Amino acid sequence: SQKIEQNSEALNIQEGKTATLTCNYTNYSPAYLQWYRQDPGRGPVFLLLIRENEKEKRKERLKVTFDTTLKQSLFHITASQPADSATYLCALDQGFGNEKLTFGTGTRLTIIP
Amino acid sequence: GAGVSQSPSNKVTEKGKDVELRCDPISGHTALYWYRQSLGQGLEFLIYFQGNSAPDKSGLPSDRFSAERTGGSVSTLTIQRTQQEDSAVYLCASSPSGGIGYTFGSGTRLTVV
Repeated sequence: SQKIEQNSEALNIQEGKTATLTCNYTNYSPAYLQWYRQDPGRGPVFLLLIRENEKEKRKERLKVTFDTTLKQSLFHITASQPADSATYLCALDQGFGNEKLTFGTGTRLTIIP
Repeated sequence: GAGVSQSPSNKVTEKGKDVELRCDPISGHTALYWYRQSLGQGLEFLIYFQGNSAPDKSGLPSDRFSAERTGGSVSTLTIQRTQQEDSAVYLCASSPSGGIGYTFGSGTRLTVV
């Protein structure tokens, strides 16, 4: 069966360090993988998209890698700040032209001052 | 509009009553999605509208749930004979082209008492 797993439910990182979140999937052949941020009481906010033929994507302090052989994406936040504290979700399309997204359960990141 | 608008933001209803949840997507976005998020859980896909195509209803949990999208814009999610297990946050999202970068609304928090 299809499964999306995010490495841990909660992750605490010291301010200024790099936070690394993991998303693993099985039985998907996605055309792309997306990362979202969700704050309490709000809907998720789109951060980055990486396509199957891309290895790495960067946006400001964010970096995403995508390894379709390992079926894994890593999401890095460098020089982390307390304002980066939130839940981060990865999401996959179904591939083969099916654009519906399935979301992982998320990792709750806390940046400690 | 500037974002995805959902109403009401909160709804408390008695078990057995019907409820309607409304979503106003971003103007021009052809794709519209409904998800459900229970406390501490991930996003559960409900239904997907894309342009004039037949909707993907594969995530609707029972025949008490239905949704429509009028004129390719506003969508209404209806839950008939609500049950306590229907209590959750119902999130709507839209995107300009299939699954690329969803924009979510803030959700409707439904509580069935």
